[in-house]
Amino acid sequence: QSVLTQAPSASGTPGQRVTISCSGSSSNIGSNSVNWYQQLPGTAPKLLIYSNNQRPSGVPDRFSGSKSGTSASLAISGLQSEDEADYYCAAWDDSLNGNYVFGTGTKVTVL
Amino acid sequence: QVTLRESGPALVKPTQTLTLTCTFSGFSLSSSGMSVSWIRQPPGKALEWLARIDWDDDKYYRTSLKTRLTISKDTSKNQVVLKMTNMDPVDTATYYCARSTVATSNKYYHMDVWGKGTTVTVSA
Repeated sequence: QSVLTQAPSASGTPGQRVTISCSGSSSNIGSNSVNWYQQLPGTAPKLLIYSNNQRPSGVPDRFSGSKSGTSASLAISGLQSEDEADYYCAAWDDSLNGNYVFGTGTKVTVL
Repeated sequence: QVTLRESGPALVKPTQTLTLTCTFSGFSLSSSGMSVSWIRQPPGKALEWLARIDWDDDKYYRTSLKTRLTISKDTSKNQVVLKMTNMDPVDTATYYCARSTVATSNKYYHMDVWGKGTTVTVSA
């Protein structure tokens, strides 16, 4: 059972800005950095954002991340059709001897 | 170039033990900070982290599955093996392995390179 909560879906038209939220607790987001993974249809997840707001090489700067307290957000500006995917937040959880926890996932649809 | 590839049976029977192998290249699991995790995804559902093994042989397991999981590494073969006992149809999923380079600090743990995954179906 996921301990990070995300809205199941989000949508926008090309060029719009879409924001995805991730809610956790003091033992995960409140204590550790947040990462975001993008999963395009039928493919393996890909690291999109790490350490709250860092982009790996090759990730467009349209993607940005932020964290405040026990919540985090992923923003996609200038939405493009190729951004249609599932997005998962994740963080290490210090409780129960340590587990890496994923969010429930948000499906982004480009209208 | 860093790559990971998962391998194992596509079909297992209930109560059997599943053995999955992650074969990687482009990095050494004996280097400080390196780590490999296993993650699974049931059809149409979210990602679930299962287990992790670090360069110094530290191991972590998903709390709810701890009694069923064993993770091990063979540094000379560049392989990480995950065993899951007493398989059940609810364990049907795509199983991924993924690398981390920041295992020295759980605070910043993340997986930067993933394998393509292997699909496992549990059915009699």
